Amino acid sequence: QSALTQPASVSGSPGQSITISCTGTSSDVGNYNYVSWYQQHPGKAPKLMIYDVSNRPSGVSNRFSGSKSGNTASLTVSGLQAEDEADYYCSSYTSSSTLIFGGGTKLTVL
Amino acid sequence: QVQLQESGPGLVKPSETLSLTCTVSGGSISSYYWSWIRQPPGKGLEWIGYFFYSGSTNHNPSLKSRVTISEDTSKNQFSLKLSSVTAADTAVYYCARVNIVATINAFDIWGQGTMVTVSS
Repeated sequence: QSALTQPASVSGSPGQSITISCTGTSSDVGNYNYVSWYQQHPGKAPKLMIYDVSNRPSGVSNRFSGSKSGNTASLTVSGLQAEDEADYYCSSYTSSSTLIFGGGTKLTVL
Repeated sequence: QVQLQESGPGLVKPSETLSLTCTVSGGSISSYYWSWIRQPPGKGLEWIGYFFYSGSTNHNPSLKSRVTISEDTSKNQFSLKLSSVTAADTAVYYCARVNIVATINAFDIWGQGTMVTVSS
């Protein structure tokens, strides 16, 4: 199975909004609402930010939101803060009953 | 609250079998999906496989038949065995939970990760 496609990097200034895309196929992102997003700071374990396309776990800031259109899911971070600088990964369930991750996106807060 | 802790050798020789254990504390291993995920140095996340407490398992087809995931409910642990390892299997290995009980179909809890190096 091939990894979901994410941009290698995105950047934004404090207070701005950014969007990270995650493109799959009709066998994963396009056919299931089991898309999740994870934030990973250097040397740390990933942290769940969004599940089931657009749901936020308890404790995650409402500055993080998720959506999906066709085979592409998106994570939007609004009101960028310095602490948002991290790597972000998307994940999806697949038609083979497996899970797949995106290649990761490095978010830089300028 | 529920915590996960990976344990196992940090160094494995090529062609041998990598064996890791994930200990679940603060909660039961039952009723959830449990996964292994790895991350090679400087690279992205790769899903290895999962098991459900009822016994069903699945794994990343790219790892072919090298993966075995099993549980020990009496110890509230589950384990990973990856056979015939090569340098490409060098990575930080994480265990994680899918919280289907709370209908969170994602990895809501992760272990801290353990680094495994494959080298002679």
